[in-house]
Amino acid sequence: AQSVTQLGSHVSVSEGALVLLRCNYSSSVPPYLFWYVQYPNQGLQLLLKYTTGATLVKGINGFEAEFKKSETSFHLTKPSAHMSDAAEYFCAVIPRAYDKVIFGPGTSLSVIP
Amino acid sequence: ETGVTQSPTHLIKTRGQQVTLRCSSQSGHNTVSWYQQALGQGPQFIFQYYREEENGRGNFPPRFSGLQFPNYSSELNVNALELDDSALYLCASSSQGKGNEQFFGPGTRLTVL
Repeated sequence: AQSVTQLGSHVSVSEGALVLLRCNYSSSVPPYLFWYVQYPNQGLQLLLKYTTGATLVKGINGFEAEFKKSETSFHLTKPSAHMSDAAEYFCAVIPRAYDKVIFGPGTSLSVIP
Repeated sequence: ETGVTQSPTHLIKTRGQQVTLRCSSQSGHNTVSWYQQALGQGPQFIFQYYREEENGRGNFPPRFSGLQFPNYSSELNVNALELDDSALYLCASSSQGKGNEQFFGPGTRLTVL
């Protein structure tokens, strides 16, 4: 069965530092890949997605992610963290055989002033 | 363009009771998916509806049921509530098609006492 792993349930970075949130999926066929952000007491907002084409994907709020098939990874990065980036981040996949979204367990990002 | 809306925002029930949660899809979307997000975890797929029929189901018991209406709005019904049903319930709408982005509502916070 498909699964998504996110290394580190909690990540802390200093304001202005690089943000790196890790995501790996288990599938022999690359799925569709997504990153969502969730602020406290809110629903999920799409940051970016990869379906086909260029493997480096740019999203909202300065985030980007790179699909690496050989590593089955889709890590999320941002060059310079802002206080407003503090939130829960979820990596998600949609297997190409069907439309069910499979979420990772999430990574809580804290930004230290 | 109206986004995905859910009602109610919060709900408190006792064990054994039944609950109905509602979701209005984003304009132009014909598919609705429901997810359960327990505290500190990623969302788990409950089921999906397309053109008023169930189109996939996750690992949830039959006491979780749903409906989709001709206007593509949807209901999630849970019978015989258990304490472990306490969670944030998220609705997402999308257009039918592989890998299409799902747009999430703000969720309904259900507490079972």
